[in-house]
Amino acid sequence: AQSVAQPEDQVNVAEGNPLTVKCTYSVSGNPYLFWYVQYPNRGLQFLLKYITGDNLVKGSYGFEAEFNKSQTSFHLKKPSALVSDSALYFCAVRVPNTGNQFYFGTGTSLTVIP
Amino acid sequence: DTGVSQDPRHKITKRGQNVTFRCDPISEHNRLYWYRQTLGQGPEFLTYFQNEAQLEKSRLLSDRFSAERPKGSFSTLEIQRTEQGDSAMYLCASSFSREVTEAFFGQGTRLTVV
Repeated sequence: AQSVAQPEDQVNVAEGNPLTVKCTYSVSGNPYLFWYVQYPNRGLQFLLKYITGDNLVKGSYGFEAEFNKSQTSFHLKKPSALVSDSALYFCAVRVPNTGNQFYFGTGTSLTVIP
Repeated sequence: DTGVSQDPRHKITKRGQNVTFRCDPISEHNRLYWYRQTLGQGPEFLTYFQNEAQLEKSRLLSDRFSAERPKGSFSTLEIQRTEQGDSAMYLCASSFSREVTEAFFGQGTRLTVV
């Protein structure tokens, strides 16, 4: 079975500091990995994805994520947090040739403190 | 095209009533997904379509749930004989067929069963 874990329900960071939102996964093949952000009363917005190649991928709004195959992790990072980054973040995986659904983690609520 | 559109945004219904939600995907996308999201959880996959064909429906929560995409464009999700446990956010997403592509989500329909 495919699963995604986001070990932290809540992350607080001061504005201007670097942020990390953690994601680990357990899948039966080589996954495609995604990060989405959700603002209150809004749908999920795509941030970035890892398919293959360079382990560090860059996405929207200055976010980046690092794929680590040995640790089965795909942590989301940003060098300098903004108050407007406060939102709910979801990690998702998709495993080729095992169906087409995305499997989501339970989400991490990020609060950037001014 | 402004993205994935869902209607209504909010629905309050009495227990036992039937409800139907509509999703209009991004026009070029041939895949359409339905997810359910409850408070504190990540989106949970329900079903998906490739054009008008429903290729996965085993994850629908019960036989009270059904979905259609009659012409390969918009889709409807129906819940019959609603129960209080059906209260949730119902999310629609669409994508191209290739598994490397991300899905784009609508803003969701929030269902409250009273």
